[in-house]
Amino acid sequence: AQKVTQAQTEISVVEKEDVTLDCVYETRDTTYYLFWYKQPPSGELVFLIRRNSFDEQNEISGRYSWNFQKSTSSFNFTITASQVVDSAVYFCALSEAHPSSSGGFKTIFGAGTRLFVKA
Amino acid sequence: EPEVTQTPSHQVTQMGQEVILRCVPISNHLYFYWYRQILGQKVEFLVSFYNNEISEKSEIFDDQFSVERPDGSNFTLKIRSTKLEDSAMYFCASSEGLAGANEQFFGPGTRLTVL
Repeated sequence: AQKVTQAQTEISVVEKEDVTLDCVYETRDTTYYLFWYKQPPSGELVFLIRRNSFDEQNEISGRYSWNFQKSTSSFNFTITASQVVDSAVYFCALSEAHPSSSGGFKTIFGAGTRLFVKA
Repeated sequence: EPEVTQTPSHQVTQMGQEVILRCVPISNHLYFYWYRQILGQKVEFLVSFYNNEISEKSEIFDDQFSVERPDGSNFTLKIRSTKLEDSAMYFCASSEGLAGANEQFFGPGTRLTVL
């Protein structure tokens, strides 16, 4: 069964601090996809990144970086020099690449980490 | 840039009433999904839909729920007899291919309030 754990419920930092959001996943599939989404106070889900299970290369996009480690089943997200606009709930999600016994695909979300960035 | 749209943005209904939430997926996408987020909680998968039939559904998606693609552009979620616990944000999503291999594009959500 799939499972995504985001152990940090809330994190509070001061602007310009670096912050890392943790994500640990479980899956029996060898091929799967991992995602991070941002949910600002306005409520929409904003896609940040997708990573497939065969690509362990870390990625950097501006102030955002992701560290994918299959050995520890983790896909952590770091915001460098945080800004007030980064305040949001961040969700890690997992999607398996093979259909379930019912023939479908679904994405499983973690519980989310609420990030507060104070000025 | 193409986007998924949802209407209405907020729906208020009385317990026991039927509601239909509407979504217009991105036009060349083939896979469609509904997710639910109870206030302050995580996003939960409800159902995926492909080739005019449900391809997967969660335990939440019981007989009170149904989905339909009535024409070439809309994708609807119907709740037959709403309960208080159906109050949540409902997100529609679509993807060009399979959810994992392709990014799921989410709509802005419909906030359903059941009184």
